[in-house]
Amino acid sequence: GAVVSQHPSWVICKSGTSVKIECRSLDFQATTMFWYRQFPKQSLMLMATSNEGSKATYEQGVEKDKFLINHASLTLSTLTVTSAHPEDSSFYICSAIPTGRGLRTSGRGEQFFGPGTRLTVL
Amino acid sequence: AQSVTQLGSHVSVSEGALVLLRCNYSSSVPPYLFWYVQYPNQGLQLLLKYTTGATLVKGINGFEAEFKKSETSFHLTKPSAHMSDAAEYFCAVSGRTDKLIFGTGTRLQVFP
Repeated sequence: GAVVSQHPSWVICKSGTSVKIECRSLDFQATTMFWYRQFPKQSLMLMATSNEGSKATYEQGVEKDKFLINHASLTLSTLTVTSAHPEDSSFYICSAIPTGRGLRTSGRGEQFFGPGTRLTVL
Repeated sequence: AQSVTQLGSHVSVSEGALVLLRCNYSSSVPPYLFWYVQYPNQGLQLLLKYTTGATLVKGINGFEAEFKKSETSFHLTKPSAHMSDAAEYFCAVSGRTDKLIFGTGTRLQVFP
């Protein structure tokens, strides 16, 4: 149980185009999902918190108009990289918290990560 | 605010040797601490976590970590390394929210 999937697993696009990445919790509902960005051989940097039915909360320095997040259902969050440029090339990872099982709600701190999406912008 | 420092970006051990990966944290509130493992081109898998209670935490694959408040540390250990343990390991801290702050990671190499 507790599986998070991402689609696509990798994508190559031309500069100036937009790319949508999906994050799905397959066997649980997730009110909260997170989007991270990981550069080669570096750590994960939190980009934004995605909450079902409300606007995403972006971390400082992350352009909300460039990285559009939509959390339309309890099992799906999407990240759209708009007008992508080569500097947006990275490994994007999402995570999902089973509803009611996060640190704030239960103290359990359960958070499950997707396998990541590698974006290459030419 | 929270932060994590992982000492040593690379650690190499022989198969069967002790594994020690260091993690020090800073937190303005009592921390929740995590260790995750990442295999190439994959997401993160939780090894273990400390929330409250017993300070020695046992995780999967024979790993364990001890929360030492006086030293602000949460080092990860395994008595005997396996070839399959070769991966990237991340320490993370949370300060009573679900947002995780990750360290820079330690790449573990295991030699036969």
